[in-house]
Amino acid sequence: ETGVTQTPRHLVMGMTNKKSLKCEQHLGHNAMYWYKQSAKKPLELMFVYSLEERVENNSVPSRFSPECPNSSHLFLHLHTLQPEDSALYLCASSQLRPGGAASTDTQYFGPGTRLTVL
Amino acid sequence: QKEVEQNSGPLSVPEGAIASLNCTYSDRGSQSFFWYRQYSGKSPELIMFIYSNGDKEDGRFTAQLNKASQYVSLLIRDSQPSDSATYLCAVRYGNKLVFGAGTILRVKS
Repeated sequence: ETGVTQTPRHLVMGMTNKKSLKCEQHLGHNAMYWYKQSAKKPLELMFVYSLEERVENNSVPSRFSPECPNSSHLFLHLHTLQPEDSALYLCASSQLRPGGAASTDTQYFGPGTRLTVL
Repeated sequence: QKEVEQNSGPLSVPEGAIASLNCTYSDRGSQSFFWYRQYSGKSPELIMFIYSNGDKEDGRFTAQLNKASQYVSLLIRDSQPSDSATYLCAVRYGNKLVFGAGTILRVKS
């Protein structure tokens, strides 16, 4: 496998269910990200992990719980979601460089998980 | 609030023409700028990044950055129907990228 993979690709769940999204990167990167993409809205950053430590949490509701056990794997645990949480959830990875006013770390995206909450 | 603005489009151009996509951003401290292409139902893929004022060319694509005016643009020469997609502008702030909502490009054959 190469690049960034995500499973499952499609998920339908009820509001009382608990599920997890999985992301794996094969690029040797040190940072991983979760984004939410809703129709006609910009990509919304949810979480950033750098060297397995969460460095960004964009006021995401607690019903979304990220986990980063190592630099290659990232999970998003879901519980008691709402219908408005239905969206495409994208994982990305990059190689963050320290400091650097002109740091150009590029984020590479996985194929996404299309989530539908009934 | 860091903002990135793009015209949602759709921008329609005939095959072979130049497509011009524009993006403005709110924070003068921004250092790195990215253009991603996203086909319907797919994830974003990087086209180019730029961090110095001026032009950067890669094949049919040219990114242009003007930090004084806080805009970045993407030119696509000899547009092809396969270029039809949503183009996302992204601006790096610290550890994160802030994305615009994207511009839909349609290239008519």
